[in-house]
Amino acid sequence: DQQVKQNSPSLSVQEGRISILNCDYTNSMFDYFLWYKKYPAEGPTFLISISSIKDKNEDGRFTVFLNKSAKHLSLHIVPSQPGDSAVYFCAARGTGANNLFFGTGTRLTVIP
Amino acid sequence: DVKVTQSSRYLVKRTGEKVFLECVQDMDHENMFWYRQDPGLGLRLIYFSYDVKMKEKGDIPEGYSVSREKKERFSLILESASTNQTSMYLCASRSGTARQKLFFGSGTQLSVL
Repeated sequence: DQQVKQNSPSLSVQEGRISILNCDYTNSMFDYFLWYKKYPAEGPTFLISISSIKDKNEDGRFTVFLNKSAKHLSLHIVPSQPGDSAVYFCAARGTGANNLFFGTGTRLTVIP
Repeated sequence: DVKVTQSSRYLVKRTGEKVFLECVQDMDHENMFWYRQDPGLGLRLIYFSYDVKMKEKGDIPEGYSVSREKKERFSLILESASTNQTSMYLCASRSGTARQKLFFGSGTQLSVL
Protein backbone atom coordinates (compact mmCIF):
# COMPACT_ATOMS: atom_id res chain seq x y z
CA ASP A 1 0.00 0.00 0.00
CA GLN A 2 1.40 3.34 -1.05
CA GLN A 3 1.78 5.48 2.08
CA VAL A 4 3.13 8.44 0.15
CA LYS A 5 1.35 9.47 -3.01
CA GLN A 6 2.11 11.90 -5.78
CA ASN A 7 -1.02 11.94 -7.86
CA SER A 8 0.35 14.00 -10.73
CA PRO A 9 2.81 12.01 -12.80
CA SER A 10 3.76 15.07 -14.82
CA LEU A 11 3.61 18.86 -14.77
CA SER A 12 4.55 21.47 -17.38
CA VAL A 13 5.24 25.08 -16.46
CA GLN A 14 6.48 28.12 -18.32
CA GLU A 15 9.87 29.47 -17.37
CA GLY A 16 9.57 32.18 -14.73
CA ARG A 17 6.23 30.93 -13.41
CA ILE A 18 5.58 29.01 -10.21
CA SER A 19 5.77 25.21 -10.12
CA ILE A 20 3.72 23.49 -7.43
CA LEU A 21 4.30 19.81 -6.82
CA ASN A 22 1.99 17.99 -4.45
CA CYS A 23 2.33 15.01 -2.18
CA ASP A 24 -0.16 13.26 0.12
CA TYR A 25 0.53 10.76 2.86
CA THR A 26 -1.58 8.43 4.92
CA ASN A 27 0.51 7.72 8.02
CA SER A 28 0.04 10.31 10.79
CA MET A 29 3.20 8.98 12.47
CA PHE A 30 5.45 10.44 9.79
CA ASP A 31 7.55 13.15 11.40
CA TYR A 32 9.96 14.25 8.69
CA PHE A 33 9.47 14.93 5.02
CA LEU A 34 11.92 15.41 2.18
CA TRP A 35 11.98 16.26 -1.49
CA TYR A 36 14.48 14.73 -3.88
CA LYS A 37 15.19 15.70 -7.47
CA LYS A 38 16.30 13.21 -10.10
CA TYR A 39 17.79 13.95 -13.50
CA PRO A 40 17.96 11.20 -16.14
CA ALA A 41 20.95 8.89 -15.73
CA GLU A 42 21.66 10.26 -12.25
CA GLY A 43 20.66 9.24 -8.75
CA PRO A 44 18.18 11.35 -6.76
CA THR A 45 19.67 14.32 -4.94
CA PHE A 46 18.33 15.88 -1.77
CA LEU A 47 16.54 19.16 -2.31
CA ILE A 48 14.75 20.34 0.82
CA SER A 49 13.17 18.92 3.96
CA ILE A 50 10.70 19.83 6.68
CA SER A 51 10.02 18.57 10.17
CA SER A 52 6.47 17.87 11.25
CA ILE A 53 6.74 20.60 13.89
CA LYS A 54 6.96 23.22 11.14
CA ASP A 55 4.56 24.20 8.39
CA LYS A 56 7.00 25.89 6.04
CA ASN A 57 10.65 25.69 5.09
CA GLU A 58 12.33 27.85 2.52
CA ASP A 59 15.62 27.54 0.67
CA GLY A 60 16.17 30.03 -2.10
CA ARG A 61 13.67 29.40 -4.88
CA PHE A 62 12.32 26.30 -3.15
CA THR A 63 9.70 26.28 -0.41
CA VAL A 64 8.05 23.26 1.13
CA PHE A 65 4.69 23.61 2.87
CA LEU A 66 3.27 21.03 5.26
CA ASN A 67 -0.40 20.74 6.18
CA LYS A 68 -0.54 18.05 8.85
CA SER A 69 -4.29 18.09 9.26
CA ALA A 70 -4.70 17.37 5.55
CA LYS A 71 -1.66 15.06 5.45
CA HIS A 72 -0.43 17.05 2.51
CA LEU A 73 2.82 18.69 1.52
CA SER A 74 3.77 20.73 -1.47
CA LEU A 75 6.93 22.00 -3.07
CA HIS A 76 6.89 25.46 -4.64
CA ILE A 77 9.56 26.53 -7.08
CA VAL A 78 9.62 30.23 -7.87
CA PRO A 79 10.66 31.26 -10.43
CA SER A 80 10.88 28.02 -12.38
CA GLN A 81 13.92 27.57 -14.60
CA PRO A 82 14.57 25.10 -17.43
CA GLY A 83 17.26 23.47 -15.28
CA ASP A 84 14.54 22.51 -12.81
CA SER A 85 13.17 20.01 -15.33
CA ALA A 86 13.52 16.67 -13.54
CA VAL A 87 11.55 14.05 -11.65
CA TYR A 88 10.70 15.10 -8.11
CA PHE A 89 10.11 12.56 -5.35
CA CYS A 90 8.66 13.33 -1.96
CA ALA A 91 9.59 11.06 0.92
CA ALA A 92 8.48 10.62 4.51
CA ARG A 93 9.93 9.05 7.63
CA GLY A 94 8.20 7.52 10.60
CA THR A 95 9.35 8.28 14.14
CA GLY A 96 12.41 6.25 15.01
CA ALA A 97 12.36 4.49 11.69
CA ASN A 98 15.31 3.87 9.44
CA ASN A 99 13.26 3.75 6.32
CA LEU A 100 12.02 6.48 4.06
CA PHE A 101 8.80 5.99 2.15
CA PHE A 102 8.95 7.51 -1.31
CA GLY A 103 6.20 8.74 -3.57
CA THR A 104 5.94 7.71 -7.19
CA GLY A 105 7.46 10.92 -8.52
CA THR A 106 6.30 13.89 -10.62
CA ARG A 107 8.09 14.77 -13.83
CA LEU A 108 8.42 18.55 -14.06
CA THR A 109 9.08 20.15 -17.42
CA VAL A 110 9.90 23.86 -17.46
CA ILE A 111 9.31 25.29 -20.90
CA PRO A 112 11.69 28.09 -21.95
CA ASP B 1 31.12 15.83 -1.65
CA VAL B 2 29.88 12.33 -0.95
CA LYS B 3 30.44 9.89 -3.74
CA VAL B 4 28.37 6.75 -4.04
CA THR B 5 29.57 4.61 -6.91
CA GLN B 6 27.65 1.77 -8.49
CA SER B 7 29.84 -0.56 -10.49
CA SER B 8 27.65 -0.86 -13.58
CA ARG B 9 25.38 1.59 -15.34
CA TYR B 10 23.66 -1.06 -17.46
CA LEU B 11 23.48 -4.81 -17.04
CA VAL B 12 21.78 -7.46 -19.15
CA LYS B 13 21.38 -10.90 -17.61
CA ARG B 14 19.49 -14.09 -18.35
CA THR B 15 16.78 -15.65 -16.24
CA GLY B 16 18.26 -17.87 -13.56
CA GLU B 17 21.65 -16.17 -13.48
CA LYS B 18 23.17 -15.03 -10.19
CA VAL B 19 23.65 -11.27 -10.33
CA PHE B 20 25.86 -9.07 -8.19
CA LEU B 21 25.33 -5.32 -7.95
CA GLU B 22 28.12 -3.49 -6.20
CA CYS B 23 28.05 -0.16 -4.40
CA VAL B 24 30.89 1.76 -2.78
CA GLN B 25 30.72 4.98 -0.78
CA ASP B 26 33.66 7.14 0.19
CA MET B 27 32.36 9.04 3.21
CA ASP B 28 32.60 6.45 5.95
CA HIS B 29 28.81 6.32 6.27
CA GLU B 30 27.36 3.79 8.67
CA ASN B 31 24.11 3.22 6.80
CA MET B 32 23.71 1.90 3.28
CA PHE B 33 20.57 1.10 1.32
CA TRP B 34 19.40 -0.63 -1.83
CA TYR B 35 16.27 0.65 -3.57
CA ARG B 36 14.62 -0.25 -6.83
CA GLN B 37 12.79 2.30 -8.91
CA ASP B 38 9.92 1.25 -11.14
CA PRO B 39 7.51 3.42 -13.15
CA GLY B 40 4.40 4.21 -11.16
CA LEU B 41 5.83 2.69 -7.99
CA GLY B 42 8.52 5.14 -6.98
CA LEU B 43 11.48 3.99 -4.92
CA ARG B 44 11.05 0.89 -2.82
CA LEU B 45 13.52 -0.29 -0.22
CA ILE B 46 14.96 -3.76 -0.72
CA TYR B 47 17.51 -4.01 2.09
CA PHE B 48 19.55 -1.74 4.28
CA SER B 49 22.57 -2.08 6.50
CA TYR B 50 23.45 0.01 9.51
CA ASP B 51 26.85 -1.52 10.15
CA VAL B 52 29.34 -4.02 8.77
CA LYS B 53 27.82 -7.49 8.58
CA MET B 54 24.45 -6.12 9.73
CA LYS B 55 21.42 -6.08 7.47
CA GLU B 56 17.72 -5.45 7.68
CA LYS B 57 14.97 -6.33 5.25
CA GLY B 58 13.16 -3.51 3.58
CA ASP B 59 9.76 -3.57 1.95
CA ILE B 60 10.53 -5.97 -0.92
CA PRO B 61 13.41 -8.31 0.06
CA GLU B 62 12.08 -11.41 -1.67
CA GLY B 63 14.48 -12.75 -4.28
CA TYR B 64 17.36 -10.63 -3.02
CA SER B 65 20.16 -10.89 -0.51
CA VAL B 66 22.90 -8.48 0.53
CA SER B 67 26.43 -8.51 1.79
CA ARG B 68 28.34 -5.91 3.78
CA GLU B 69 31.81 -7.18 4.60
CA LYS B 70 33.42 -3.74 4.64
CA LYS B 71 31.96 -0.43 5.74
CA GLU B 72 32.33 1.21 2.36
CA ARG B 73 30.85 -1.57 0.26
CA PHE B 74 27.30 -2.90 0.06
CA SER B 75 26.42 -5.60 -2.45
CA LEU B 76 23.01 -6.63 -3.69
CA ILE B 77 22.68 -10.20 -4.87
CA LEU B 78 19.96 -11.66 -7.03
CA GLU B 79 20.29 -15.37 -6.34
CA SER B 80 18.37 -16.43 -9.45
CA ALA B 81 17.37 -13.51 -11.61
CA SER B 82 13.83 -13.33 -12.91
CA THR B 83 12.22 -11.06 -15.47
CA ASN B 84 10.24 -9.22 -12.79
CA GLN B 85 13.55 -8.05 -11.35
CA THR B 86 14.16 -5.93 -14.43
CA SER B 87 14.43 -2.49 -12.86
CA MET B 88 16.57 0.50 -11.98
CA TYR B 89 18.55 -0.26 -8.84
CA LEU B 90 19.73 2.60 -6.66
CA CYS B 91 22.25 2.40 -3.86
CA ALA B 92 22.32 5.07 -1.16
CA SER B 93 24.30 5.85 1.94
CA ARG B 94 23.77 8.02 4.98
CA SER B 95 25.69 9.06 8.01
CA GLY B 96 24.32 7.68 11.22
CA THR B 97 23.98 11.20 12.53
CA ALA B 98 22.34 12.79 9.49
CA ARG B 99 18.60 13.07 9.58
CA GLN B 100 17.67 10.91 6.65
CA LYS B 101 19.66 12.80 4.05
CA LEU B 102 20.44 9.99 1.67
CA PHE B 103 23.17 10.22 -0.95
CA PHE B 104 22.41 8.14 -4.00
CA GLY B 105 24.51 6.50 -6.65
CA SER B 106 23.69 6.96 -10.34
CA GLY B 107 21.83 3.68 -10.54
CA THR B 108 22.14 0.39 -12.39
CA GLN B 109 19.56 -0.40 -15.04
CA LEU B 110 19.21 -4.18 -14.94
CA SER B 111 17.44 -6.05 -17.69
CA VAL B 112 16.68 -9.73 -17.13
CA LEU B 113 15.84 -11.57 -20.34
